[in-house]
Order: sequence, then structure tokens, then C-alpha cells
Amino acid sequence: DAGVIQSPRHEVTEMGQEVTLRCKPISGHNSLFWYRQTMMRGLELLIYFNNNVPIDDSGMPEDRFSAKMPNASFSTLKIQPSEPRDSAVYFCASSLDARQPQHFGDGTRLSIL
Amino acid sequence: AQTVTQSQPEMSVQEAETVTLSCTYDTSESNYYLFWYKQPPSRQMILVIRQEAYKQQNATENRFSVNFQKAAKSFSLKISDSQLGDTAMYFCENTMSNYKLTFGKGTLLTVNP
Repeated sequence: DAGVIQSPRHEVTEMGQEVTLRCKPISGHNSLFWYRQTMMRGLELLIYFNNNVPIDDSGMPEDRFSAKMPNASFSTLKIQPSEPRDSAVYFCASSLDARQPQHFGDGTRLSIL
Repeated sequence: AQTVTQSQPEMSVQEAETVTLSCTYDTSESNYYLFWYKQPPSRQMILVIRQEAYKQQNATENRFSVNFQKAAKSFSLKISDSQLGDTAMYFCENTMSNYKLTFGKGTLLTVNP
């Protein structure tokens, strides 16, 4: 089992640029989550998919953020345009369903200059 | 709104001793799920233990056990025989039956030699 795979591990870009974070969940998992972690705000749930359908996106901070899950094995989180305050570690996690334990990826450390 | 409170931002314990991390939550539901996750300095989030609210028996996982007090809405984590590798940020999480989930702010535990 390869676990949840996120790419890239690190991303440094200038403000105004588009950023795309990628996630491959564990095969057979039906739920996928995107989180943002900062020192100030802790761990925040951004969006949750079940069977590729967004169920709860109330945590998405603003319209600059969008997430898609075109199939069961791939999801993206996009920020356009990016701002320095978007700098954080972004985690993707998957689970069999939302009531089961989540398996987290290693995260993407995003720095917006 | 659903809330999870971890009242101890930081704790420390001597190696081989026992430590208890507190977590309280606020829900009006009778069926929900509670989790403890740990995040060591390596950054990856790892499940520690899971508790289903309808089960009265406290969950245990080797040196980790919980004290689940449903009426008090309390879900504390006890770590016995603390090891240096237990040094991590510990997060408490509550998942409701409608799949809404909330993480606490975390407790940074340091195990001293």
C-alpha cells in the first residue's frame, strides 16, 4: 500500500501565480479531504469529497481556492491567484468513509513570496 | 457550531512516565466518532486511536488508551510508559454522523529523557 501521495512536497512561487497541488488517495478509499495547516490557525479542513463529489466545502477560504476530484484516484487543489497569506502546509487525506480513520499524505509546504 | 477543545497547548513528561492529554467537544448528537492523531516532527499525521460514541468501552491501543466520558463530552488520551518517540503534536478530532468533522488546536507533547 503506497499510502496517500501528494505532490509536490515543496512549492515556492511568487504572488499572483497559479498553484496546483495534487493528491492520489489510497485505492479503495471513498472519502478525500484537503487541509491547510499554519501556526496561527492550526489544522483547517478545506473541503471533503465522498465518491468524488464535494460534500462540504465550507472551509474553502475564498473564491481563489478551488478543488476537483475528476476520478477516484486523483484530486487537485488550485489557488489562483496566490497570495503570501496562502503560505502553509497543505495536507490531503483519504479514508474508507468519513467515519473511518484518515490516512494522511506527507503534505505540500507552500511558500508564496 | 461543532467545537473541539484541547486546553493544554503544551505538555511535557519524563520518559517511562504516564501522561494524559485532555479533549472536550460539543455536540448535540448521540452517535459520532472520536479520534486522536499524532503529528511528529516529521510532519506526517498518524492515527493513534478511534472511539465510537455508542460503544461504552474505552478504546485501547497498546500504550495508548482513552477515557471516554460521554455525558461530560470528554475524550482524554492516556499514554503509558512514555517513549521519546511519542514526542509530537497530538490532535483530537470529532466526526459527526453527517460527516462534519472538527479538529482541536492540538497539544504539543515533549517526552524528556
